[in-house]
Amino acid sequence: EADIYQTPRYLVIGTGKKITLECSQTMGHDKMYWYQQDPGMELHLIHYSYGVNSTEKGDLSSESTVSRIRTEHFPLTLESARPSHTSQYLCASLGSSYEQYFGPGTRLTVT
Amino acid sequence: KNQVEQSPQSLIILEGKNCTLQCNYTVSPFSNLRWYKQDTGRGPVSLTIMTFSENTKSNGRYTATLDADTKQSSLHITASQLSDSASYICVVSDRGSTLGRLYFGRGTQLTVWP
Repeated sequence: EADIYQTPRYLVIGTGKKITLECSQTMGHDKMYWYQQDPGMELHLIHYSYGVNSTEKGDLSSESTVSRIRTEHFPLTLESARPSHTSQYLCASLGSSYEQYFGPGTRLTVT
Repeated sequence: KNQVEQSPQSLIILEGKNCTLQCNYTVSPFSNLRWYKQDTGRGPVSLTIMTFSENTKSNGRYTATLDADTKQSSLHITASQLSDSASYICVVSDRGSTLGRLYFGRGTQLTVWP
């Protein structure tokens, strides 16, 4: 069982609200990722980090932002949520031997 | 263009039966190929990881094969159980990035009926 956690698991929020999705891992991994996944579709990379103070945008354009102040913590923030942000958000970290560990995901619904 | 294609899109089998899921990819240069199992509403969980030199790898009732020449992989599930109902995702990593760039397939949705 991977030691990577996401909170909240489910979130329903109104348009225009600011939200932060939390992700933390206790494995000491430098590389972390955020993916967005719609039902029945593939995962799309929206942000990644090589390590502390290193963040990059992924393949899929996203209005969200991330920060990496501590190795174990990689939160994602939406300044003003919109219905188009409704999706599942998955956090992951990369260990040795190419192993990527995923968190349980946050299912976000913006009304 | 680097792509990962999976088939079938969905599959229904009876408990106890075997099945095989397919993955074709065009990712180059190739580093490794992974199969993940994703339960509904959960994050993916790794089943197998294969590098260029590996042809087959097993994890319990799951056996993955890789043909790097034809760029094809399969995941064989033996004696299926109800708990095998999930989406199975094929993921290919390229060799050109220190980040380990990953390309995801859309998954095969497997349903096991009693």
